[in-house]
Amino acid sequence: SQQGEEDPQALSIQEGENATMNCSYKTSINNLQWYRQNSGRGLVHLILIRSNEREKHSGRLRVTLDTSKKSSSLLITASRAADTASYFCATPGAGNTGKLIFGQGTTLQVKP
Amino acid sequence: DAGVTQSPTHLIKTRGQQVTLRCSPKSGHDTVSWYQQALGQGPQFIFQYYEEEERQRGNFPDRFSGHQFPNYSSELNVNALLLGDSALYLCASSSIDRDDTEAFFGQGTRLTVV
Repeated sequence: SQQGEEDPQALSIQEGENATMNCSYKTSINNLQWYRQNSGRGLVHLILIRSNEREKHSGRLRVTLDTSKKSSSLLITASRAADTASYFCATPGAGNTGKLIFGQGTTLQVKP
Repeated sequence: DAGVTQSPTHLIKTRGQQVTLRCSPKSGHDTVSWYQQALGQGPQFIFQYYEEEERQRGNFPDRFSGHQFPNYSSELNVNALLLGDSALYLCASSSIDRDDTEAFFGQGTRLTVV
């Protein structure tokens, strides 16, 4: 069953603008991860945020987590054409046994 | 430090055939998970291996099987291939010692069944 669902499904912006993607999930989690995927290649791990964290930064990335709303957001600031990719959130399966459950992703296009 | 490596990168097989995909985990990781990603979809969990045993399995038929070797590398085998098995197969490695599920992925194997 789908745990994380990203919104919007597709996003198109100009270089230099900020991009915000949202992820909603259904059950209690102890962490949430964001990944990037370029053109159907492998997933690149971007950031992991734990349930006791509300916000985390990594370079131009800012991730927030609201466990009361069961939602997370990924903000990419000052976007570049190289940020064009699909972005996925992933949450642990039941029992935190290592299984990850992914949403369908947000496809981001950054126009030069 | 090598990340997760998968081989081959691309593969074309005929319906009914069998295929084996390979994965070497990131250095220091002991757990390998396999995912199937259909076009336009998010990855779907197939199964996970730790200490050479299947630890957890997703909703995939028995045609999908795997193996983990003492050096932590892993294979994914798919028998009696169907057209619907065409997908990107991703391997992820992680460490069982961590209390979170931080996982790192390889570049994937693109399987096309014709």
